[in-house]
This record gives sequence, structure tokens and C-alpha cells, in this order.
Amino acid sequence: SQQGEEDPQALSIQEGENATMNCSYKTSINNLQWYRQNSGRGLVHLILIRSNEREKHSGRLRVTLDTSKKSSSLLITASRAADTASYFCATDAIMNRDDKIIFGKGTRLHILP
Amino acid sequence: KAGVTQTPRYLIKTRGQQVTLSCSPISGHRSVSWYQQTPGQGLQFLFEYFSETQRNKGNFPGRFSGRQFSNSRSEMNVSTLELGDSALYLCASRSPRNGYTFGSGTRLTVV
Repeated sequence: SQQGEEDPQALSIQEGENATMNCSYKTSINNLQWYRQNSGRGLVHLILIRSNEREKHSGRLRVTLDTSKKSSSLLITASRAADTASYFCATDAIMNRDDKIIFGKGTRLHILP
Repeated sequence: KAGVTQTPRYLIKTRGQQVTLSCSPISGHRSVSWYQQTPGQGLQFLFEYFSETQRNKGNFPGRFSGRQFSNSRSEMNVSTLELGDSALYLCASRSPRNGYTFGSGTRLTVV
């Protein structure tokens, strides 16, 4: 079963606008990660935020984590055509005794020229 | 440092056949995980290997198996292929501190 659930499922915005994607999860976590996947390719690790962190930045990416609401958001500022991809959140559940992380079904982001 | 290498990139097989996919992790990474990605089910965890031992297994039938060698390279095997096994198979290796690094995947089509 999916641990993370992204919202929205799909998002289309104009180039230059900001894109916000949300992720909700079910159990307590050690950390939450965001990945990008270009069409049919492998996943690229974007950012990892630990359960004791509330916000993290990496370039044009800003990730927030609210453990009380079991949710995270990924903000991409000043979007570019190259940001068109699917974005997944993945959680490393605190009950895990192994290296399994569980992915949501992703948000498909399309940047319009 | 080379990334995670998966071979082959594309594969077409016939129902009933078997297939072996290969994954070479980043040098020094001992953990290798396999995922199946389909449009309907998303990314589903198959199994994870560490130091040649399977540490965890997802909810897939016994037709799906894997192994890891002493150099950390991993293979997964699917026997008696079914049409529903058509998917992108992704392998990932992990360092102790960072997130997963994924390969580009093997696109398997079963006809």
C-alpha cells in the first residue's frame, strides 16, 4: 500500500510561475524525500528532510515538513520547461528496520511555454 | 563516481519466458533495492539486498526473485512472464547518509 500520497495528481502552470505539490503520509517517519522522474527514466533524488526539520532549501526548491499533520510540500520557484516531470515523495517509516522507502503515486508537472 | 547502471535498457519478451535484469550500484554502496513501476500501481517495492542477503521483500509472487553478488551487483529474475509484468524496473543503491540513487531503469515489455 502507498504510504505517501501526492496532491495534485497533475499540475500545469506557465513558465516562470511557482509550482507547489503536496504529500501526505500515514505513519511516523525518520525522513521524507522528494524525487523527480523525467518521462520513463530513473528517479533523481532532489532533497531529503529529516523528521526534526521543518524547512529545507536547495536552489529553486523549498521543502516543508509538518509532522503533526503528516504532510510535506515541495515548492519549485520560477519554473522552467525543464522542470516538466513527475515528482514523488517517499517516506522512510520509523518502524522500518530495513532500507525500504515507500513512494506515493506522484504529481505530473507540466510547464507551459 | 559512476552512477547506478542497469542493463538492458529495453527488453521485449514473450509470455511464459523468463528474464534476468542486472543492476550495478554505485561503488561502495552495499544496499540495492528493486522497484517495479507501472501506470496503474505506481512504484512498488520488490526487494532489497545488503551484503548478498535479502533483507526485505515486497508483495510479489515467487516468480520474482533476486540475488546479490559479492561485488554488490544485483540481478532480478522473473520467470513465467505474464503480460502484467510489463513495467519499468528500477534499481537503486543507497549510501548510509543520503537518499537513494536510481538507475535509468529497464523497460520490460511482455507480448
